[in-house]
Amino acid sequence: EVQLVESGGGLVKPGGSLRLSCVASGFTFSTYSMNWVRQAPGKGLEWVSSISGTSSYIYHADSLKGRFIISRDNAKNSLYLQMNSLRAEDTAVYYCARSVTKDYWGQGTLVTVSS
Amino acid sequence: EIVLTQSPGTLSLSPGERATLSCRASQSVSSSYLAWYQQKPGQAPRLLIYGASTRATGIPDRFSGSGSGTDFTLTISRLEPEDFAVYYCQQYGTSPHTFGQGTKLEIK
Repeated sequence: EVQLVESGGGLVKPGGSLRLSCVASGFTFSTYSMNWVRQAPGKGLEWVSSISGTSSYIYHADSLKGRFIISRDNAKNSLYLQMNSLRAEDTAVYYCARSVTKDYWGQGTLVTVSS
Repeated sequence: EIVLTQSPGTLSLSPGERATLSCRASQSVSSSYLAWYQQKPGQAPRLLIYGASTRATGIPDRFSGSGSGTDFTLTISRLEPEDFAVYYCQQYGTSPHTFGQGTKLEIK
C-alpha cells in the first residue's frame, strides 16, 4: 500500500525557517518524481515544487523566488522542503504527492506563519 | 505560465443528474497532460483522471474526461451523494504545474 506521511509543520514567526519531510512507503521511491503542493486556508491548490527520481530535474514555482528548496534522500525514502524567509502568505497545508500525475497524496502538514 | 480557468465556480445539481465541468487553458496543454482531482472537506485531493481522459485506479466509470489543446471537460454521468465535492484541474506538461481555481459541486 502506497503511503506518504508528512511532518515538520507548525507555528513559525515571519522571517523564520522550517523544514518539511515526507516519508514514503509501499513503492520504489527512487523511481518516481515527487511534488509539494500547498493549500491556504479556504483556498485552492497551489503547486510548489517538483523533483525527479534522481534529483536531476528540480522545478519551483516562480512566486517562491528561491525561498523554498526541494530535495530528496532515496536511501531514506524521504522528500524534503526547506522553507526560508517565511511570510504570512505561506500559511497553508503542505501536501507531498507522488509522480507527475500526483496519483497519491499524503494527509498534509499545516504551516502557520504568524507573530 | 499556463493559466487554467474552471467553470462554473459552483454547480448545483441533484443526485442522479449529469455534471459537466469545464477547464480552459490560456495556451495549449502539452500532450494532453491534464489531470482532474476531487477534494472533500478535510481530506487530501484524490486523482480522478490523468492524460485528459484516463481514469485513475479505482475511479468509477461514471467519471470521464475529454478534451485536448485548451479545452477540457470532466463529466460525471450520474451523480452519487459522495460526488459532491470540489474539483480541480491541473496541467503537468509545462512548469509551473498550474491548477485551476476549482469548481464546487453542491447538492441542489
